[in-house]
Amino acid sequence: GQNIDQPTEMTATEGAIVQINCTYQTSGFNGLFWYQQHAGEAPTFLSYNVLDGLEEKGRFSSFLSRSKGYSYLLLKELQMKDSASYLCAVRDKGQNFVFGPGTRLSVLP
Amino acid sequence: DTGVSQNPRHKITKRGQNVTFRCDPISEHNRLYWYRQTLGQGPEFLTYFQNEAQLEKSRLLSDRFSAERPKGSFSTLEIQRTEQGDSAMYLCASSLAGGTYEQYFGPGTRLTVT
Repeated sequence: GQNIDQPTEMTATEGAIVQINCTYQTSGFNGLFWYQQHAGEAPTFLSYNVLDGLEEKGRFSSFLSRSKGYSYLLLKELQMKDSASYLCAVRDKGQNFVFGPGTRLSVLP
Repeated sequence: DTGVSQNPRHKITKRGQNVTFRCDPISEHNRLYWYRQTLGQGPEFLTYFQNEAQLEKSRLLSDRFSAERPKGSFSTLEIQRTEQGDSAMYLCASSLAGGTYEQYFGPGTRLTVT
C-alpha cells in the first residue's frame, strides 16, 4: 500500500531551526516533493529530491535517503510567515502523487 | 497567483444535485491533476490527464465522478448525485512533462453539500 507519515504538529521560535521528518512506503519512487500550504490557500512547491542527499534552497533544505524511505525538510532562520502546513509527497511508479497528511508548523515570537 | 485558475471558488449544493468545476491550467502545461482535500489532511489524488487523455484514475473515485479535458486545455470535474461526504476542497494542479514534474496548484473550489 501507499503510506506517508509526518508529525501532525510542530512548534518553534522565530529565528530558530526546525526539521520536519517524513517517512514513506510507496509502490514505486520517482521523486519526493515538499509543499507549503498556508491556511485556506493552495499548496506551493518548495523542493524536489530524486537522488540521495541534501538539496539547499535559501533558508530551506531537503534531504532524502531512498534506502530508508526517509526525507526531512529543514527550515532555518524561522520567520512568522513560515507558520503553515508542510506537505511531503511522493511521485510513485506512475504519475500518481501520494501526499502525506501534512505537518502544521506554528512559529512563535 | 500560480497561473492556474479554478471556478467557482465556492459551491454550496443540496444533496443529490450535480455539480461541475472548471480548471484552467498554465497554458504550456500538458499534465493536469485533480485532487480532493479535507480539513487537516493532505491532497488525495483523484485523476490525471496528459494532454486530452485521462491516464490514471484513483480506485477510490466512485462512478459518480467524471473528468474531461477536451482539446488538452481546460478540464472539468463533475460530481453527480452529490453526497455530504463529497464536501471538500477540490484542487487542480498542472505541470510540464519532464524535468522535476513540479506541480502548480490552483486556488481550489470549496464544495459544501447540505
